[in-house]
Amino acid sequence: SAVISQKPSRDICQRGTSLTIQCQVDSQVTMMFWYRQQPGQSLTLIATANQGSEATYESGFVIDKFPISRPNLTFSTLTVSNMSPEDSSIYLCSVDRDVDEQFFGPGTRLTVL
Amino acid sequence: QKEVEQNSGPLSVPEGAIASLNCTYSDRVSQSFFWYRQYSGKSPELIMSIYSNGDKEDGRFTAQLNKASQYVSLLIRDSQPSDSATYLCAVLKRANSKLTFGKGITLSVRP
Repeated sequence: SAVISQKPSRDICQRGTSLTIQCQVDSQVTMMFWYRQQPGQSLTLIATANQGSEATYESGFVIDKFPISRPNLTFSTLTVSNMSPEDSSIYLCSVDRDVDEQFFGPGTRLTVL
Repeated sequence: QKEVEQNSGPLSVPEGAIASLNCTYSDRVSQSFFWYRQYSGKSPELIMSIYSNGDKEDGRFTAQLNKASQYVSLLIRDSQPSDSATYLCAVLKRANSKLTFGKGITLSVRP
């Protein structure tokens, strides 16, 4: 598996502000992903973070709302922009090391007031 | 039809019993199958992966895959209270590395 860290682990934010979440991996990985887990729900893929190019977004998610950076093979950021209470969720990054297996970071618990 | 469906829970079993968790998927193109365990307040932890038809055993866990029936299951033998968690079934299409999750089922093991 991989050692994955996320910052911040949790935050409480005001409506209309933005938060940037960082994901750091202990070794180079090809694929990095960002997921959202709304309260009491399963995981939904937001986007695939591509190194050196624009992220690939899933249906229902757009770059203006969730801009993603992937400057190298060990780091990515997800920004939640112009937040509303509906954005209150756990945001998770994951990495794909070998044989399609994905491993998750500890998550960022976001509350928007 | 949802892409990945799991039995609605919660599921409660006594300590020492076998817990059986089931999952069906709709897309025959799916190629890889996973079970994640998620404790309350924690992130998902990969516990089993299976890629071909049949059974795969790892300790007290056995994953079963039947591609013809589009069915994957997880058996937990000798269930322990520490197995109490939400179990998420996930399927992957290798072409785009997209992992799709079921809603999860909460397992409670009674001492």
